[in-house]
Amino acid sequence: AQSVTQPDIHITVSEGASLELRCNYSYGATPYLFWYVQSPGQGLQLLLKYFSGDTLVQGIKGFEAEFKRSQSSFNLRKPSVHWSDAAEYFCAVGLNNAGNMLTFGGGTRLMVKP
Amino acid sequence: DSGVTQTPKHLITATGQRVTLRCSPRSGDLSVYWYQQSLDQGLQFLIHYYNGEERAKGNILERFSAQQFPDLHSELNLSSLELGDSALYFCASSVDNYEQYFGPGTRLTVT
Repeated sequence: AQSVTQPDIHITVSEGASLELRCNYSYGATPYLFWYVQSPGQGLQLLLKYFSGDTLVQGIKGFEAEFKRSQSSFNLRKPSVHWSDAAEYFCAVGLNNAGNMLTFGGGTRLMVKP
Repeated sequence: DSGVTQTPKHLITATGQRVTLRCSPRSGDLSVYWYQQSLDQGLQFLIHYYNGEERAKGNILERFSAQQFPDLHSELNLSSLELGDSALYFCASSVDNYEQYFGPGTRLTVT
């Protein structure tokens, strides 16, 4: 069965600093890859997705992610973090032959220092 | 706003009871997915319906059931509730079975 690992449970960065959230997946083929963000008391908002093609994908709110097949990773980055980015971030994997269910990582909680 | 609606927003009930959670997908989306988010299990897939038919089951307990109606809204029924069923229940919808758009969730508290 596929699995998704987000090694960092909590990350704190200063406002204006760069951000990288790590995500590793375990699966034999290349799955569909997603990053979602969840603000307190809110649902999950899709930030970006990777299906195929260019391994650097751009998303909303200035986020980008890079798919590295050799490392089975799909790390999320942002060059300059804003206080409003404080939230929980989830990496997810989807498989076309598994009813397209999403398997989520455990999440990384981002805190932003002023 | 994703366009997916879920009702109710909050639900408090007692052990042993039965509740129904409702989800209306985005206009045009034929797929509905249910997920459970709890502190100990994280986000887990429960079940997927496509145009009224069950397509995939995940870690869904036998006490739980779901259906999707002809107007494409879906209901998740939870019965014989236990304290451990307290969680956030999310519905997501998709038009092409790839990108899933999530509703705001229903927070269930079992006392």
